[in-house]
Amino acid sequence: DIVLTQSPVLAVSLGQRATISCRASQSVSISSINLMHWYQQKPGQQPKLLIYRASNLASGIPARFSGSGSGTDFTLTIDPVQADDIAAYYCQQSRESPNTFGAGTKLELK
Amino acid sequence: EVQLVESGGGLVQPGRSLKLSCAASGFTFSNYGMHWIRQAPTKGLEWVASISPSGGSTYYRDSVKGRFTISRDNAKSTLYLQMDSLRSEDTATYYCATDVNYGGPLDYWGQGVMVTVSS
Repeated sequence: DIVLTQSPVLAVSLGQRATISCRASQSVSISSINLMHWYQQKPGQQPKLLIYRASNLASGIPARFSGSGSGTDFTLTIDPVQADDIAAYYCQQSRESPNTFGAGTKLELK
Repeated sequence: EVQLVESGGGLVQPGRSLKLSCAASGFTFSNYGMHWIRQAPTKGLEWVASISPSGGSTYYRDSVKGRFTISRDNAKSTLYLQMDSLRSEDTATYYCATDVNYGGPLDYWGQGVMVTVSS
């Protein structure tokens, strides 16, 4: 299985930039298509798709969210961080079955 | 508007069975791959199973193979998860999710249904 590694917690100040990383145990890219996706989950709610295929903003997601990366290293950036962004963020790969998720990064206020 | 509504959860004893349903609306269900994902209390997300738009292909995580069965009824726009021989480690909130590219991102998620396996 492809293992995705995320830092468990990231503390940021409102208005600052948050950079959340996800490292895969093997490449999740096929012919320049990066099969890495990002989700936001607030307490008591279902996850919501933020970024698909590494860098594409999902419908209705604010432009302060962005994604980058390829191969094994990926980043979700939130700039600037707003109070509503305090949540857990998960990366997920669909390069091969089983789909796997990272353990999640909790974004906290500094 | 896409809507996914899970049902069928509850408290069940170890070794017993439970069948979850996910009623879909607001999109052409038969065009979408579908997934079940679960989340144990205070834990992260764990993919469980997926099914192709036609229902002809299914995939499972190793820990549920032979115990869980994913299926769909495209005429009823409903996804199912039959869970047999349940174990305490299956205790979780179970979410259904859409996958328009079947192999892409999980576009929309239901609100989830809780399954508790305990004696």
